[in-house]
Amino acid sequence: DVVMTQSPLSLPVTLGQPASISCRSSQSLVHSDGNTYLSWLQQRPGQSPRRLIYQVSNRDSGVPDRFSGSGSGTDFTLKISWVEAEDVGVYYCMQGTHSPPWTFGQGTKVEIK
Amino acid sequence: EVQLVESGGGLVQPGGSLRLSCAASGFAFSSYWMYWVRQAPGKGLVWVSHINSDGRSTTYADSVKGRFTVSRDNAQNTLYLQMNSLRAEDTAFYYCAASFAHWGQGALVTVSS
Repeated sequence: DVVMTQSPLSLPVTLGQPASISCRSSQSLVHSDGNTYLSWLQQRPGQSPRRLIYQVSNRDSGVPDRFSGSGSGTDFTLKISWVEAEDVGVYYCMQGTHSPPWTFGQGTKVEIK
Repeated sequence: EVQLVESGGGLVQPGGSLRLSCAASGFAFSSYWMYWVRQAPGKGLVWVSHINSDGRSTTYADSVKGRFTVSRDNAQNTLYLQMNSLRAEDTAFYYCAASFAHWGQGALVTVSS
């Protein structure tokens, strides 16, 4: 199974400042079809998960453009250009390239300093 | 508006059974692969099961294989998860997800005597 490792696991940030979360996979996430099935999910306190980014860098509908995804192979990054109060929550990376199983990172908790 | 509404959660004794339902609306349910993902209280996301769009292909996490059965009724826009031989470690919020793009609000399953 592909292991997804996120860092940091806790990220205190200042409102208006940028934030970055790293996600590494135990093997390349490039699929035989040429796509890379790496997604980012946000889970606000008390809510269900919401997908923000799919296939590394594509924002889902309604996701603010301050969220961006990048990376390739085994190394991926979610960046928040400036953090707003509504961004507090836990962020997960998830891979679908080598599925089943679909696997998630441990989660990164973003909180306001 | 896309909606996924889970129901059927509750308290059950070890060894017991429950059936979760996930009612979908606002999108072409019959075209989507569907997933069940669970989250133990305070823990991360774990994939449980998947079913393809016509219901003919299913997969399961090793931890639930042989005990859980996923199914769908495309005429009724509903996804199901039959859970048998439940264990304490199955206690979690269970989320249904449509291609991981849309998520339900979750159903809490508590396995305890």
